[in-house]
Amino acid sequence: DAKTTQPPSMDCAEGRAANLPCNHSTISGNEYVYWYRQIHSQGPQYIIHGLKNNETNEMASLIITEDRKSSTLILPHATLRDTAVYYCIVRVADYGQNFVFGPGTRLSVLP
Amino acid sequence: KAGVTQTPRYLIKTRGQQVTLSCSPISGHRSVSWYQQTPGQGLQFLFEYFSETQRNKGNFPGRFSGRQFSNSRSEMNVSTLELGDSALYLCASSFNSNQPQHFGDGTRLSIL
Repeated sequence: DAKTTQPPSMDCAEGRAANLPCNHSTISGNEYVYWYRQIHSQGPQYIIHGLKNNETNEMASLIITEDRKSSTLILPHATLRDTAVYYCIVRVADYGQNFVFGPGTRLSVLP
Repeated sequence: KAGVTQTPRYLIKTRGQQVTLSCSPISGHRSVSWYQQTPGQGLQFLFEYFSETQRNKGNFPGRFSGRQFSNSRSEMNVSTLELGDSALYLCASSFNSNQPQHFGDGTRLSIL
């Protein structure tokens, strides 16, 4: 079973920041938080991951709370092409540890 | 850099047949994982290969098998196909286990 809880759906206005929350209250000290997204008919696309520090790349920012029990993925200026299902996954970065995908959050960016 | 390539993109089979799907990982990636995605069950892990050895396996029947070649390319095989095997089969590769996996666009298998 997935170790994360995400809202099933969210809307965001085009050009505004999209803030996608994820709860992972049972995360252990050696588990990373990963974010992927899946646009219809494509494979999941890696977005970002982190352990305890906030992370930023060209796609998004990842904010992890100090107790690591929750995180937020931020898309700073959402576009229509960001409409997708977003998955939050916690995983030990070690051999034999597969990614467990939950149902994710369906983000709709509205014009 | 080329991404993960899966062939074929679409496949139609009938019950009882067997099928082989192919995955070419990103150059330099040695870990290859396979997933099944269906509307009802979502994305489910099948198995992972690293350096030609199966390192991890999900909860699927023995009809689902795979292998990895010395060039890291991987194949998965499903024998005695059932209607419930209709799904999008996704392959993902990574350099090693502490790096993110990168997915191909999948093979959509339809069983008639």
